[in-house]
Amino acid sequence: DTEVTQTPKHLVMGMTNKKSLKCEQHMGHRAMYWYKQKAKKPPELMFVYSYEKLSINESVPSRFSPECPNSSLLNLHLHALQPEDSALYLCASSPRGGINSPLHFGNGTRLTVT
Amino acid sequence: DQQVKQNSPSLSVQEGRISILNCDYTNSMFDYFLWYKKYPAEGPTFLISISSIKDKNEDGRFTVFLNKSAKHLSLHIVPSQPGDSAVYFCAAYTGTASKLTFGTGTRLQVTL
Repeated sequence: DTEVTQTPKHLVMGMTNKKSLKCEQHMGHRAMYWYKQKAKKPPELMFVYSYEKLSINESVPSRFSPECPNSSLLNLHLHALQPEDSALYLCASSPRGGINSPLHFGNGTRLTVT
Repeated sequence: DQQVKQNSPSLSVQEGRISILNCDYTNSMFDYFLWYKKYPAEGPTFLISISSIKDKNEDGRFTVFLNKSAKHLSLHIVPSQPGDSAVYFCAAYTGTASKLTFGTGTRLQVTL
């Protein structure tokens, strides 16, 4: 069982839809992350929240909008996505700002954009 | 530009033998390295890490070796077990950033 919970596990959406991915952790971690992983590729960092503030945005298109309502929750709002955005979206957390601190990953949301 | 590379996309090892997974990096600012294991349909799971001030770290069946001059690290699994069959990613941090950079992954198959 993973201590980082992501919902939904699978999501199929059209290019005009608006949807949200959700992530929750109750380990008291203060840093949370969104990663994107395409098939046969390594995970790629999208966003980092540290102490509920956005600290890193890896030049992600604005059709992806992160939100951190509190230290336990992380959302990724999706709007007007493209088929090439289909991927596995991984949420992770770490005890502090992430420096030299192992990340704990959820099992991901498999997103398909049609 | 792939700063962390795992040049072997796959590796097959017999149960009970040693598995050696290799990783090379190009960024000399990396100072903390980690190995993750990933099963299909699951997120990566942290295995073991090493700071750049060390050259070896051991945890049970897993040992990570770091050769800073060669910008190379390796993960040794001994003895290998069928449950070790997964994709293994090495990853690296720089001390000034919260960004964890992953390697390309090696698929390990442990056969009976």
